[in-house]
Amino acid sequence: RKEVEQDPGPFNVPEGATVAFNCTYSNSASQSFFWYRQDCRKEPKLLMSVYSSGNEDGRFTAQLNRASQYISLLIRDSKLSDSATYLCVVNGAGGSYIPTFGRGTSLIVHP
Amino acid sequence: SAVISQKPSRDICQRGTSLTIQCQVDSQVTMMFWYRQQPGQSLTLIATANQGSEATYESGFVIDKFPISRPNLTFSTLTVSNMSPEDSSIYLCSVIGQGPREQYFGPGTRLTVT
Repeated sequence: RKEVEQDPGPFNVPEGATVAFNCTYSNSASQSFFWYRQDCRKEPKLLMSVYSSGNEDGRFTAQLNRASQYISLLIRDSKLSDSATYLCVVNGAGGSYIPTFGRGTSLIVHP
Repeated sequence: SAVISQKPSRDICQRGTSLTIQCQVDSQVTMMFWYRQQPGQSLTLIATANQGSEATYESGFVIDKFPISRPNLTFSTLTVSNMSPEDSSIYLCSVIGQGPREQYFGPGTRLTVT
């Protein structure tokens, strides 16, 4: 089983739609969780950290479910500019700072 | 956050030559990493650059092929040695900032080996 798993997609949604991605992780001792966004031919950029209580930033909501070992990202009112690959990142297991990346979920928002 | 610059941004190199990529961070950071990403693929961690000591390499990567230096807390280099076309990729420098382990990436170096 891979340490961090994501559905690669692509998720193809119309503008204005709500879309959700999940990411599962295998190491229950993981402590830090993040979502990154990567545009084509660009470096990954931090979208948001994921806190135990869940957190929201505008149209984006991230949640953590430790019992089931997954994190989620919800995007409301999708924009064309949301089209990108969304990477799930997990680290901190056993005191390690080495992040583990998922393979990414591709989102395409169309008019 | 941390601002990271990489040089060169891209290069086209001949088989058998070597290229050194530089990574400069605008603040002192504890953790620095080197990744590569091939087209359409996920990030692959090459190594953790350790300040003042040998880098820690991931499985499948060795020091002779990818020597890394990190003389201080803001600068590191990655050399891709004896290049072959299979080394064509984007090489990314990354750091973890102070605080909540948020990771930041440089803009990447796009390498093409002919």
